[in-house]
Amino acid sequence: NAGVTQTPKFRVLKTGQSMTLLCAQDMNHEYMYWYRQDPGMGLRLIHYSVGEGTTAKGEVPDGYNVSRLKKQNFLLGLESAAPSQTSVYFCASSYSPGQNFQETQYFGPGTRLLVL
Amino acid sequence: AQSVTQLGSHVSVSEGALVLLRCNYSSSVPPYLFWYVQYPNQGLQLLLKYTSAATLVKGINGFEAEFKKSETSFHLTKPSAHMSDAAEYFCAVSRNSGYALNFGKGTSLLVTP
Repeated sequence: NAGVTQTPKFRVLKTGQSMTLLCAQDMNHEYMYWYRQDPGMGLRLIHYSVGEGTTAKGEVPDGYNVSRLKKQNFLLGLESAAPSQTSVYFCASSYSPGQNFQETQYFGPGTRLLVL
Repeated sequence: AQSVTQLGSHVSVSEGALVLLRCNYSSSVPPYLFWYVQYPNQGLQLLLKYTSAATLVKGINGFEAEFKKSETSFHLTKPSAHMSDAAEYFCAVSRNSGYALNFGKGTSLLVTP
């Protein structure tokens, strides 16, 4: 049971390049999330998904797109990277049948992205 | 909107001393509150969570937190700090919509010998 995994672990991009971050979970969780972590800012939600084929915007969605084609995978895309997107990206998942806000979120190890 | 405020971005304690990390919440409805820990270069790990079953919540690694509605607080404590407790600690509150968490800005705990 690997939990939540993220690839790649580290990436350097030039401004304007595109890339996709992959998140995978093997816990059969319905809900998945993408956060970014910046110094002194805590974690901020980018996008989330409450099930296969559905996605929704979080508090900082601009410049990112997501897809949830399979239940176990949640992809985060940057179409045209900008230096402001330099950050550490965390994926998380949780099991929530219905609106159960007590559910624990399980986090991946993170992806460090540097945009030059 | 539900939110949390962590008082003190950096806290330093001596090994063996009491650890106290402060978190206050703002919520118009009874909140679900969480403490997560992040060790260097790792993801976040759940320490404990308050789900209204008991006001004193015990977590892993000897940590506990007490929910105080009158003070709108959910402070994290540990009686005796270990060197291995050095990490970033995040308080979070569950939203009542959107299913995600609102995180505080984090408190970095330094433990000195």
